[in-house]
Amino acid sequence: NAGVTQTPKFQVLKTGQSMTLQCAQDMNHEYMSWYRQDPGMGLRLIHYSVGAGITDQGEVPNGYNVSRSTTEDFPLRLLSAAPSQTSVYFCASRKGQGTQPQHFGDGTRLSIL
Amino acid sequence: SQKIEQNSEALNIQEGKTATLTCNYTNYSPAYLQWYRQDPGRGPVFLLLIRENEKEKRKERLKVTFDTTLKQSLFHITASQPADSATYLCALDIARGNNRLAFGKGNQVVVIP
Repeated sequence: NAGVTQTPKFQVLKTGQSMTLQCAQDMNHEYMSWYRQDPGMGLRLIHYSVGAGITDQGEVPNGYNVSRSTTEDFPLRLLSAAPSQTSVYFCASRKGQGTQPQHFGDGTRLSIL
Repeated sequence: SQKIEQNSEALNIQEGKTATLTCNYTNYSPAYLQWYRQDPGRGPVFLLLIRENEKEKRKERLKVTFDTTLKQSLFHITASQPADSATYLCALDIARGNNRLAFGKGNQVVVIP
């Protein structure tokens, strides 16, 4: 199993550009989440989904959109990139709620110039 | 306000000794707490979960305790090895069992041969 796969691994954007960070999981997990990790800030939840067709906002959702058309995929869209969105983005999935562990991808390192 | 605190200073420890990390939280009542390991350039990897009604959990050389009165979890690595060098994150269930985890900023461990 590949687990959680994120693409691209690195990306540089100019302010105002848009892009989509891809996330796919092959574990048939219902729950998927997007986090950003910044130095000194820890992991912060951007958006999450409890199943296909259902998404909700996390702690820092502004400037990001998500959709969940299939169980496997959970893309994160930056609508108009800003330097404040320079970060490392992690996608995670888990099987069900409650005590199930999160499985993380290896991240997308995004720089906005 | 709600906070999860981990020591920001790296823990340097001699090989073979026990490393102990602390996770303190305020204004949360988590049903469980999880610990993750993160290596540079990689996503976090789940290590252990402990529920609110459990005092201690062990997995190989790892031990976690959970004191809901003190609002604190301790994470121990016994007989530490250089391969244990990484950053360790604690994560709380912040909504009593749904898909909402809040992460601490992590505590780096450096095991000196």
